[in-house]
Amino acid sequence: DQQVKQNSPSLSVQEGRISILNCDYTNSMFDYFLWYKKYPAEGPTFLISISSIKDKNEDGRFTVFLNKSAKHLSLHIVPSQPGDSAVYFCAASAGAGSYQLTFGKGTKLSVIP
Amino acid sequence: DVKVTQSSRYLVKRTGEKVFLECVQDMDHENMFWYRQDPGLGLRLIYFSYDVKMKEKGDIPEGYSVSREKKERFSLILESASTNQTSMYLCASTLRGGYGYTFGSGTRLTVV
Repeated sequence: DQQVKQNSPSLSVQEGRISILNCDYTNSMFDYFLWYKKYPAEGPTFLISISSIKDKNEDGRFTVFLNKSAKHLSLHIVPSQPGDSAVYFCAASAGAGSYQLTFGKGTKLSVIP
Repeated sequence: DVKVTQSSRYLVKRTGEKVFLECVQDMDHENMFWYRQDPGLGLRLIYFSYDVKMKEKGDIPEGYSVSREKKERFSLILESASTNQTSMYLCASTLRGGYGYTFGSGTRLTVV
């Protein structure tokens, strides 16, 4: 049973426009959420996170929104740049001190110049 | 900067060989993890360790074993490599209670 779902395997966006990547989860115990970015032949790198006590977290061009009632989070990238082209993984953790992350299957973002 | 180093970027092994994938981290992290990444399947946890000599099975441990004799080193062992173990293998580490994983660059293993 997939507890973290990224239903869009791929997304194409024009440079300068907004990219919105979505993630749904089913486990009510998840209380911390992260986004990772992965380029081919490299390991994932941490991008941005959000705790369940917040509904928004912003870092430069990247904003993550959390809707707990809908068990949904989204990553907004504004403006999108060609260097943002990568696979984005949503991840979730349950319980204070839990160190185990559950990852989604990823969304491949292509930003077209 | 935390560094997680995986010993090989690319490996080609024959079916039936015993394969060792090594991972070393330099920031005294307690927790270490092995994932594999396959197209359409995302990141799947194979094994993890929260302390020296401790190990826990992840979601897909079959065909794998691990070793953690020192805090900084976590090894993944394929006892008898099979073609369905062809994959990208990723090692990660984090502090106890920490959420943010630091990943290595990955090892692309091909079993022929």
